[in-house]
Amino acid sequence: EIVMTQSPGTLSVSPGERATLSCRASQSVGSNLAWYQQKPGQAPRLLIYGASTRATGIPARFSGSGSETEFTLTISSLQSEDFVVYYCQQYKNWPPATFGGGTKVEIK
Amino acid sequence: EVQLVESGGGLVQPGGSLRLSCVASGFTFSTYSMSWVRQAPGKGLEWVSYISGSSVTKYYADSVKGRFTISRDNAKNSMSLQMDSLRDGDTALYYCARRNSNYCYFDLWGRGTLVTVSS
Repeated sequence: EIVMTQSPGTLSVSPGERATLSCRASQSVGSNLAWYQQKPGQAPRLLIYGASTRATGIPARFSGSGSETEFTLTISSLQSEDFVVYYCQQYKNWPPATFGGGTKVEIK
Repeated sequence: EVQLVESGGGLVQPGGSLRLSCVASGFTFSTYSMSWVRQAPGKGLEWVSYISGSSVTKYYADSVKGRFTISRDNAKNSMSLQMDSLRDGDTALYYCARRNSNYCYFDLWGRGTLVTVSS
């Protein structure tokens, strides 16, 4: 099973600033990496797939990069609605599909 | 509207059973593989089970294998999760999720149904 590790667990950033979230895989997943956003009381929403392709309707301030074992989600200018939790998920080797533990982005 | 709606959650004693349902609308359900993903209170996401569009292929997480059974009825645009021998560790919000057509990421999620296992 591929283990996904996200860091940091909590990221404190000021509105309008850039946020950089990391996700590491225990072995190579190529570009088979997705990012999700989860707002309180809501289901996760797909942000990024293929490590860098934005899902339909996702604003351009969200971007993904990386490959193999190291991935990054960047939010270029944080809006108020972006201060929530983000998860990465690998889909190279499954089952099981495995998720990272999440990064909470909070207001600094 | 494209959506997934889960139901069937509730409070159950350890060792008990529960059946969750997910009803899909707004898309051709039979052409998509589906999964259940759960989230324990205050925790992250854990994939639970998968079923192909034709029901031929089914997968389970090791933590639920032998206790949970996934099924679907394409005529009713629905999927179910039969959960038996429930344990405290099964307490979670259970999401129904649609697998992308080509890859195993999830492009549509329901709002979830809460399962609480407690005596």
